[in-house]
Amino acid sequence: DAKTTQPPSMDCAEGRAANLPCNHSTISGNEYVYWYRQIHSQGPQYIIHGLKNNETNEMASLIITEDRKSSTLILPHATLRDTAVYYCIVRVEGAQKLVFGQGTRLTINP
Amino acid sequence: GAVVSQHPSRVICKSGTSVKIECRSLDFQATTMFWYRQFPKQSLMLMATSNEGSKATYEQGVEKDKFLINHASLTLSTLTVTSAHPEDSSFYICSARRQGNQPQHFGDGTRLSIL
Repeated sequence: DAKTTQPPSMDCAEGRAANLPCNHSTISGNEYVYWYRQIHSQGPQYIIHGLKNNETNEMASLIITEDRKSSTLILPHATLRDTAVYYCIVRVEGAQKLVFGQGTRLTINP
Repeated sequence: GAVVSQHPSRVICKSGTSVKIECRSLDFQATTMFWYRQFPKQSLMLMATSNEGSKATYEQGVEKDKFLINHASLTLSTLTVTSAHPEDSSFYICSARRQGNQPQHFGDGTRLSIL
């Protein structure tokens, strides 16, 4: 699976949009981009995933660049409960494993 | 609501004790489940892949005789930490995936503390 690079930490004000970047310059054509988050002392929570088109669900939006070498997770109106470590993972469709990097520690400030 | 249930959430026991952790998929059948371990301030590390009806596949460096995995049904996998020692203290997390290209869903983890 392709390696991803994320900033170690970010801050965002409550109520503002949180934009979390992820670089995956070696991504293959059949690899999906997945986003999970882990709130302290809990298991990871699935957020969203996509292949090449932008995706949106009730939690977030995923913007993937045209060359697919990077993506951005957008939390449109961040709340204090969105404080967590966010993991960007690329994985081949149908592949078994998820390999977690260090993620981005997002802190939402009041 | 939760789709993967993990039990117990917390275990504190003496060195030398064996500890069993259960992972259940609540509303779907999972032929494959995964076990992760997470030390403080570190990311999740995959320990093994649990396959229903067959032997688990362990990641490099994980002792299969130390961490016994049983996946006897399509909704239940268990991880037994045998003769646990303080260095086995960690946060253990399981996950399961529905069929096809569905994402993995994780349990809430088990915090194991060996005294």
